[in-house]
Amino acid sequence: KQEVTQIPAALSVPEGENLVLNCSFTDSAIYNLQWFRQDPGKGLTSLLLIQSSQREQTSGRLNASLDKSSGRSTLYIAASQPGDSATYLCALIYNQGGKLIFGQGTELSVKP
Amino acid sequence: NAGVTQTPKFRVLKTGQSMTLLCAQDMNHEYMYWYRQDPGMGLRLIHYSVGEGTTAKGEVPDGYNVSRLKKQNFLLGLESAAPSQTSVYFCASRERKYEKLFFGSGTQLSVL
Repeated sequence: KQEVTQIPAALSVPEGENLVLNCSFTDSAIYNLQWFRQDPGKGLTSLLLIQSSQREQTSGRLNASLDKSSGRSTLYIAASQPGDSATYLCALIYNQGGKLIFGQGTELSVKP
Repeated sequence: NAGVTQTPKFRVLKTGQSMTLLCAQDMNHEYMYWYRQDPGMGLRLIHYSVGEGTTAKGEVPDGYNVSRLKKQNFLLGLESAAPSQTSVYFCASRERKYEKLFFGSGTQLSVL
């Protein structure tokens, strides 16, 4: 069964800390992986897309890595800010017809 | 570009009433999706479309119907609303099967 797990479900850190969010998956036959941010009451905003042939992608303070062999992706946020507070979701796009599987998300709170 | 636009943003229905949610995208995307998001359940796929005139069932299609008469529009219908359909509904689109997914801002639906 194709499952995607994000642990922890919630995380609270003080401003300025570097942090890592995790996304684990059971089926490694993925085409690519996408990280999203969701603010309360809003839609999902795409942050980064990693192709299965890539190891990482960077955008500003964000760095996403992908290790298919271990079934794991991480989203690294450097020098966290209160504005980073949101729920972060990973979504896997599988070779099988482009099927999408979402994780349940990690709710991040960055305290001033 | 407006991206993916959903209307309405909020709606309250009584049990048994019907309504249609509209999703419009201006990116000429082939693939369009309807999801519902519920606390503790994550994002669940209702129906999707791989092109104009096509629709297919997702994970939780019962009680919903869809139509894709025009490439840019994807309509989600509730023929006889039930309290279990209280949720936040998201539309999403992407250009091709394995490309980045773009989301609308959501519709908050309450069925009393």
